[in-house]
Amino acid sequence: QLQLQESGPGLVKPSETLSLTCTVSGDSISDYYWSWIRQTPGKGLEWIATMFYGGTTKYNPSLKSRITISGDTSKSLFSLKLTSMTAADTAVYFCAGGGYGDRFEFWGRGSLVTVSS
Amino acid sequence: QSMLTQPPSVSAAPGQTVTMSCSGSTSNTGNNYVSWYQQLPGTAPKLLIYDNNKRPSGIPDRFSGSKSGTSATLGITGLQTADEADYYCGSWDSSLRAWVFGGGTKLTVL
Repeated sequence: QLQLQESGPGLVKPSETLSLTCTVSGDSISDYYWSWIRQTPGKGLEWIATMFYGGTTKYNPSLKSRITISGDTSKSLFSLKLTSMTAADTAVYFCAGGGYGDRFEFWGRGSLVTVSS
Repeated sequence: QSMLTQPPSVSAAPGQTVTMSCSGSTSNTGNNYVSWYQQLPGTAPKLLIYDNNKRPSGIPDRFSGSKSGTSATLGITGLQTADEADYYCGSWDSSLRAWVFGGGTKLTVL
């Protein structure tokens, strides 16, 4: 059973870049799909991106120009960078993973990111 | 505005059965698998149903999923107060080339 834990800054200034990491325990990250999903306060879920380590990465077209997603097997973590942050990016950011690309099997607890000066 | 349409809320009494719908289009639910997620207050979503009607290990058979055409349905039998949560459906959209979710249905167990 995979366990995921997000870590991030909590507060980001407008126009800055958000950097989040998701630390994975329970297995190597090299055999799974890894995703980032966010949820704005009181709203629903928005998919950000999914990577299969060593394979293809898929991005939300509306965010693609601002996203970098990567993985580090030596540290068993994967990361998200989201540039040019605005108040509209204030959300709880979840990392999710699993062995199949057609579902999100395991989730982290989420990391609240607030964009404010 | 969410790509998949879910009713904002449903309610039922303990022990009863409830269903909730998820409506999409041929580019998502009509031709791709639907998954369902339960989000208890203050927690992360949890996978309940995948591939339209399959339950992950550990999910009770009180939870079921089905799909017909472009609509999917989540059913919960023997409702418990612990089932009070938000429920989200999700599917890959082949036209957008993106995952899309419904806006969520809040289940109240009266």
